[in-house]
Amino acid sequence: KQEVTQIPAALSVPEGENLVLNCSFTDSAIYNLQWFRQDPGKGLTSLLLIQSSQREQTSGRLNASLDKSSGRSTLYIAASQPGDSATYLCAVKRGSNYKLTFGKGTLLTVNP
Amino acid sequence: GAVVSQHPSWVICKSGTSVKIECRSLDFQATTMFWYRQFPKQSLMLMATSNEGSKATYEQGVEKDKFLINHASLTLSTLTVTSAHPEDSSFYICSAQDGELSYNEQFFGPGTRLTVL
Repeated sequence: KQEVTQIPAALSVPEGENLVLNCSFTDSAIYNLQWFRQDPGKGLTSLLLIQSSQREQTSGRLNASLDKSSGRSTLYIAASQPGDSATYLCAVKRGSNYKLTFGKGTLLTVNP
Repeated sequence: GAVVSQHPSWVICKSGTSVKIECRSLDFQATTMFWYRQFPKQSLMLMATSNEGSKATYEQGVEKDKFLINHASLTLSTLTVTSAHPEDSSFYICSAQDGELSYNEQFFGPGTRLTVL
């Protein structure tokens, strides 16, 4: 059974800092990995999707890496802003049955 | 593009009543839709996978007679919580996938907050 773990559970940083969120998964046989953002009481916004054959994806100030063999992914946020405050979720798609398995998320607070 | 809507965004109902939640893909055809439930400060838990024109596949522990899912068209799936009880109060989120390829991205709706009194 695939398990996804995100560390840390919560993170508070001052504005402008660069930061890294971590995600690990137990079964390396994945099709892809996605990073999402969730604001309080809202749905999910997809940030980055990394195919199993890729090592990283970049979008603006965000960079996500994937190391399938070690079962790890990181989300790097450069020059953090208060608007980045949200819960960040990592999810892996396992096999061909389209299911996403989610981690519990990292609650990020960026202080002005 | 790739917008998924949910209706209603929130609903309060009395115990014993049934509640229907709609999930629509607005600008693409979703061959597969997914229903998740999220309890406070918890992650999303998949309830069921819905394919257009066929019966939904429920995850272990999810009562299919209580959570009725209908995927009647390529743009609409509905979740009906029958005989709702306070323990069914939760945040329900749907997602939709374009096409049949396994690596296709899932696009999520804004969620529906259900409160059962």
